[in-house]
Order: sequence, then C-alpha cells, then structure tokens
Amino acid sequence: EPEVTQTPSHQVTQMGQEVILRCVPISNHLYFYWYRQILGQKVEFLVSFYNNEISEKSEIFDDQFSVERPDGSNFTLKIRSTKLEDSAMYFCASGGEQRLSSYEQYFGPGTRLTVT
Amino acid sequence: GESVGLHLPTLSVQEGDNSIINCAYSNSASDYFIWYKQESGKGPQFIIDIRSNMDKRQGQRVTVLLNKTVKHLSLQIAATQPGDSAVYFCAERSGTGANNLFFGTGTRLTVIP
Repeated sequence: EPEVTQTPSHQVTQMGQEVILRCVPISNHLYFYWYRQILGQKVEFLVSFYNNEISEKSEIFDDQFSVERPDGSNFTLKIRSTKLEDSAMYFCASGGEQRLSSYEQYFGPGTRLTVT
Repeated sequence: GESVGLHLPTLSVQEGDNSIINCAYSNSASDYFIWYKQESGKGPQFIIDIRSNMDKRQGQRVTVLLNKTVKHLSLQIAATQPGDSAVYFCAERSGTGANNLFFGTGTRLTVIP
C-alpha cells in the first residue's frame, strides 16, 4: 500500500540553524501539506501546496518557513533560523484528486525536530 | 476561526465492548470531517471520513455519525480490541474552499484486556 515517507525521523539542531525536513508524498497525489504537533498538543496546519505553489498557510507559517517541491517526488519544509519553540513533530500529508467531495489526507510518520 | 474540540480527553473500555468517541465543532460551514487514529510515535492514520451532506457512514468495525444541528461528530468502534488503544482525533475541513484540516485535541482510548 502506498504511503507517505519522511526523513529524518529525528533531527536535533541548535537554535538559529537552518533545517530541511523531507517528505515523499504518495506518488499520484496532487495536494501536499505540512502540519506540526507540539508534544501533548493537537495537530496544527502549517501550509498546503498545490500545482507548484502555496495554496494556504497558517499564521504559524511565517517568513522563517518555506516549502519546495524540487523534483517530481520530494516535498520539503525549510526552517531558516530555528527557535526553541519550533521543537515539535512535523508531519507531511498528501491527498489525491478530489472526487465526490472527498478530501482525504494521508500522513507520514513525522520528523521529530528538537531545537537546543 | 475554526474550533474543533473533544468532550473527553480519556476513555477506557473493556476489550470486546463498543467505544464511542465524541467531538464537537464550532464552524457550521465545515463540509467534511475525518477521524484519525494516532499511535505513540506515529503519524495520524486515516480511519473514516464523512461529508456534511451525510449523517452516518460505516466502515469496518467503525461508524461515524454527524449531527449538524448540534455540530457534533462521533466515532463508534465495535468490539474494541487492544490494538485500538491510541489517541483519536477528529478533523474538519472549513468549507471555505481551503483543504487544510483543523484538528481537535484528541481522546486517548485505552482498551482493558
């Protein structure tokens, strides 16, 4: 069964450093998302991406964040200058062609980002 | 903004019993809802979805009920098994055309063998 994959599973970085989190969405999907989950809290939307551009973003997704689909398979989230409060689990999700008002999103296993 | 919340943070059930997990939402324009299961250290796993023009949908051992009048969503799990122990989240799509999901805070289901 196809699944979303993410690398690395755990990333430790120092405050102020840049990190890139990588995702390989399900191959025939068209919609891509990043969410994050601070430990013990709910999953929060960051950004959605469709047709090679950002379609929606939340207030969390400020100028320190960027996303890219550098090739036909990868989808990346970059944090330019990490802060302590960026420590969280980051989930990539993808969704296929929207038919019959179905907007399923399938999540990857997540990357745990620890900023020290 | 959208608000999706859960009535109970924890739920314990005996193995074999049925489980009911509840969710309240505040945005009457939300048009699509998903239940996710999240096991420790893993990403949310899709369980079942329902569109706002439906009030019930059944899957394998799971049923989702939607009551738009009171903006309430529930997930029923039949014959709960130890493998069902996890945190369950409801999530909603706002209905504004945006596809991003808004998640509730989660209910931890513990199945007692």
